Amino acid sequence: QITLRESGPALVRPTQTLTLTCTFSGFRLSTSGMCVSWIRQPPGKPLEWLALIDWDDDKYYSTSLGSRLTISTDTSKNQVVLTMANMDPVDTATYYCARRTVAGTGFFDIWGQGTTVTVSS
Amino acid sequence: EFVLTQSPATLSLSPGDRATLSCRASQSVSNFLAWYQQKPGQAPRLLIYEASNRATGIPARFSGSGSGTDFTLTISGLEPEDFALYYCQHRTNWVFGGGTRVELK
Repeated sequence: QITLRESGPALVRPTQTLTLTCTFSGFRLSTSGMCVSWIRQPPGKPLEWLALIDWDDDKYYSTSLGSRLTISTDTSKNQVVLTMANMDPVDTATYYCARRTVAGTGFFDIWGQGTTVTVSS
Repeated sequence: EFVLTQSPATLSLSPGDRATLSCRASQSVSNFLAWYQQKPGQAPRLLIYEASNRATGIPARFSGSGSGTDFTLTISGLEPEDFALYYCQHRTNWVFGGGTRVELK
């Protein structure tokens, strides 16, 4: 069974750096064609793609947020970490991680349940 | 800037009705488009990939069509559990559309 689970702080202060962890099981990110991505959704708003890391450790970022984002992986722990610098109240959202397989659907076929982050002083 | 525009924003229908959702891309995306369903408090679920392929476990009443810039998600015979939000997404730059809400009339 393939699962992903997001974890991180529920509350961050403006200007702080957010660190979120996606812990997954049932697949290896090192397997050719595997990718993990982060997506967020502010309350009542649409989904917004943030970043993606693939089996070859290539990293891709949203053009609008890329300078604030860093995605990395800890293969020994089956984790993908996303950091977002200089947090602002507009970054309040539910943050999801999701798996993508190049050879499968090519899209995000398995999602975590999401973790809610509030940015407030 | 690449944009996916979904219409209508809201669709008010009754169980058993046919739902037709549209997604238009600002430039051609070939068939690199997916549809997701999202229910309140839940993560999105992949319904359709590469414009017309149903994901694993998705009922046959969901179908996708289109290529290039114009795409359609059709739900033939709405079930009570189908009232939800629907998003389209492009595969190359991972942009999502603004969503269509299918609500109970």
